[in-house]
Amino acid sequence: NAGVTQTPKFRILKIGQSMTLQCAQDMNHNYMYWYRQDPGMGLKLIYYSVGAGITDKGEVPNGYNVSRSTTEDFPLRLELAAPSQTSVYFCASSPHGANYGYTFGSGTRLTVV
Amino acid sequence: EDQVTQSPEALRLQEGESSSLNCSYTVSGLRGLFWYRQDPGKGPEFLFTLYSAGEEKEKERLKATLTKKESFLHITAPKPEDSATYLCAVQLQGNLIFGKGTKLSVKP
Repeated sequence: NAGVTQTPKFRILKIGQSMTLQCAQDMNHNYMYWYRQDPGMGLKLIYYSVGAGITDKGEVPNGYNVSRSTTEDFPLRLELAAPSQTSVYFCASSPHGANYGYTFGSGTRLTVV
Repeated sequence: EDQVTQSPEALRLQEGESSSLNCSYTVSGLRGLFWYRQDPGKGPEFLFTLYSAGEEKEKERLKATLTKKESFLHITAPKPEDSATYLCAVQLQGNLIFGKGTKLSVKP
């Protein structure tokens, strides 16, 4: 039982490049989330999805895009990477929302230079 | 405006020295307060959900309590393996708003 799997674990991007952070869960959870975590700051919600085909913006969506074509996968797309996007990105899932607790992946550490 | 404030930012304890971590919140109509544990280089791990003032939850050496304005995570006789960052979060419009966390270090 893998839970929430994020790839890659580490990545260095140059300013202006694009990339996709992958997130997959095998628990048949409807809800999925993308957070970023900066040093000394709390986790900030980027985007979330309540089911396949449905996505919505969180607190800090600018510079990112998501899609949810299947229940299992929730990729996060960075277009035109900027140094401000240097962060650790966490994907999480939940069966029915926040009240049931989130299962987090192990994160992707992204550096934009 | 911070809606979730955790204190202290860091706490160093000797093994066996009990203490408490604080999480205060300003959201109205609390729909749930959550505690997570995060080890270095890993994602947060869910610990507890509290819904109403007076509620308590326990897991091993950890006990979480809730009042109308704050929550406490009590750690009784901690061990080095309890060292981690403890995150508090509140539910707002269906999503979680996280505090910055308290980094706990327990020395043998």
